[in-house]
Amino acid sequence: AQTVTQSQPEMSVQEAETVTLSCTYDTSESDYYLFWYKQPPSRQMILVIRQEAYKQQNATENRFSVNFQKAAKSFSLKISDSQLGDAAMYFCAYRSATSQFYFGTGTSLTVIP
Amino acid sequence: DAGVIQSPRHEVTEMGQEVTLRCKPISGHDYLFWYRQTMMRGLELLIYFNNNVPIDDSGMPEDRFSAKMPNASFSTLKIQPSEPRDSAVYFCASSLAGGGETQYFGPGTRLLVL
Repeated sequence: AQTVTQSQPEMSVQEAETVTLSCTYDTSESDYYLFWYKQPPSRQMILVIRQEAYKQQNATENRFSVNFQKAAKSFSLKISDSQLGDAAMYFCAYRSATSQFYFGTGTSLTVIP
Repeated sequence: DAGVIQSPRHEVTEMGQEVTLRCKPISGHDYLFWYRQTMMRGLELLIYFNNNVPIDDSGMPEDRFSAKMPNASFSTLKIQPSEPRDSAVYFCASSLAGGGETQYFGPGTRLLVL
């Protein structure tokens, strides 16, 4: 079975600075999809960004970008110009070819004003 | 679109009672997922459906849990009898078919079993 590992339970960043959240995964599949979700205190799970494994180009959504290293099975999230509203739990997720989803244990991000 | 709808948003019940959680997926979505989130165990996939058919229920903790999807617009997760260790936030999510389609989550049901 696939596994998703987030090795940073907690991270903090100064407002307006950049922070990178790490994620690694284990799979034998060649075709899959990766996601980052954000869960603020409201508990709502919100999609931040997604990446197709067959694409070499890293996905970008405004201040959010990923560093996808397929050979290394690494999928980190970079948040630029951090804002107070970015404070949340961030989950890395993997979707297999059979549409099964696997989530990491999450990284709690604190933004310091 | 209204997004994924879950009800109730909060449920407090006593041990031994039956609990039914409800979910309405986004119209047109082929997949529906039920998750449980706790501090201790994180986010756990309980079961997921494709076109109303259960595909993988290996995450269902025990026979006290059951899930149904009688049609494309409605699913239930039932716990009978409930126990205090079932206290958690239960999420429903849906997605379109295809490997890359994003999962959209409902707001969750916060369950407390006393």
